[in-house]
Amino acid sequence: ETGVTQTPRHLVMGMTNKKSLKCEQHLGHNAMYWYKQSAKKPLELMFVYNFKEQTENNSVPSRFSPECPNSSHLFLHLHTLQPEDSALYLCASSYDRGPTNEKLLFGSGTQLSVL
Amino acid sequence: DQQVKQNSPSLSVQEGRISILNCDYTNSMFDYFLWYKKYPAEGPTFLISISSIKDKNEDGRFTVFLNKSAKHLSLHIVPSQPGDSAVYFCAASGVEIQGAQKLVFGQGTRLTINP
Repeated sequence: ETGVTQTPRHLVMGMTNKKSLKCEQHLGHNAMYWYKQSAKKPLELMFVYNFKEQTENNSVPSRFSPECPNSSHLFLHLHTLQPEDSALYLCASSYDRGPTNEKLLFGSGTQLSVL
Repeated sequence: DQQVKQNSPSLSVQEGRISILNCDYTNSMFDYFLWYKKYPAEGPTFLISISSIKDKNEDGRFTVFLNKSAKHLSLHIVPSQPGDSAVYFCAASGVEIQGAQKLVFGQGTRLTINP
């Protein structure tokens, strides 16, 4: 357990459903991230939040909507997803900046299947 | 265009021998490199890193080598143990987004250690 907790661990949803992924950390980290891992592809950065402010949206479709109410919690709201959105969604956090703080701590991920 | 590439999707090594995982990058602005290890159903965990001012960093059985002129890094594991069987991701950073680090990942190499 890294200290970054993601729920649910598994999620199956239809294309018309609305669901949310949750991530939390109480490590004092100021930056939180959403990554997507599809089979045989690199981890793709989706969103970055730093001190609750979104600082990166990596050309992610609007059917993915992030929310960061405070530095400890991060959500990913999902609606009208497509089957190709099926993947492992990983949350990560880090503290401050600089080379010593580039070690992201990842959660265990949510394995999402869109039917 | 993929900036960090791991060209071997899988590698099989005998227990006790050396495992060598390779990674190539294209962006000369990257100045910090990391290796993450991922077991099934878990998030990636940080393994070892190296700054661009160094060409080698060692931590126990793990050594990372950096060849900046070739834009190549490698991870050596010796001796390899069955518990090392996992997917290994190479990552690079050098782009800071308002205090939060942006890591670019390779697509991973699945290492299998045979008894």
